Amino acid sequence: NAGVTQTPKFQVLKTGQSMTLQCAQDMNHNSMYWYRQDPGMGLRLIYYSASEGTTDKGEVPNGYNVSRLNKREFSLRLESAAPSQTSVYFCASSERTDRDTQYFGPGTRLTVL
Amino acid sequence: DAKTTQPPSMDCAEGRAANLPCNHSTISGNEYVYWYRQIHSQGPQYIIHGLKNNETNEMASLIITEDRKSSTLILPHATLRDTAVYYCIVRAGGTSYGKLTFGQGTILTVHP
Repeated sequence: NAGVTQTPKFQVLKTGQSMTLQCAQDMNHNSMYWYRQDPGMGLRLIYYSASEGTTDKGEVPNGYNVSRLNKREFSLRLESAAPSQTSVYFCASSERTDRDTQYFGPGTRLTVL
Repeated sequence: DAKTTQPPSMDCAEGRAANLPCNHSTISGNEYVYWYRQIHSQGPQYIIHGLKNNETNEMASLIITEDRKSSTLILPHATLRDTAVYYCIVRAGGTSYGKLTFGQGTILTVHP
């Protein structure tokens, strides 16, 4: 039982490049989330998926797209990376969106030059 | 979701209890108190949560005042591995879409 896994662990991009961050959970959770954490700051929600087949915007969705591929997987795509997207990205999952505990992955450290 | 206030930093000796306070004076009836911690840029780790009763699990105890305006997270026997940023989060149940609002948290340093 690996919990929440994320790939890659580290990534360096040039401005304008695209990439997809992958997240998978093996806890049979319905809800999944993408957060970003900038240095010295708390986490901010980018997008979430309450259940398979649905996605919704969080606090800071601009510049990102997501796909809930199936119940296990939730990917985050940067179509045209910008230096402002340099951050650590965390994926999380929970059984439901309301009130259930969220479990986090180890994070992806992204640098955009 | 209600706002929380935590001290920016605290120290604790190894083996002693660490008591981390949190004020949430605007908490409403359907809001839960959650505690997470983040160890050196790892993913946040769930610790415990509660609504109005005190809670205990294998990691910690959560004491919520009767008026629910404040709470205390207790790590009964702190170790060096408990050094981390601890976040107190108040979150509504029911129709909330699930966002966890992480503030600045408390940096707990456990020293030998």
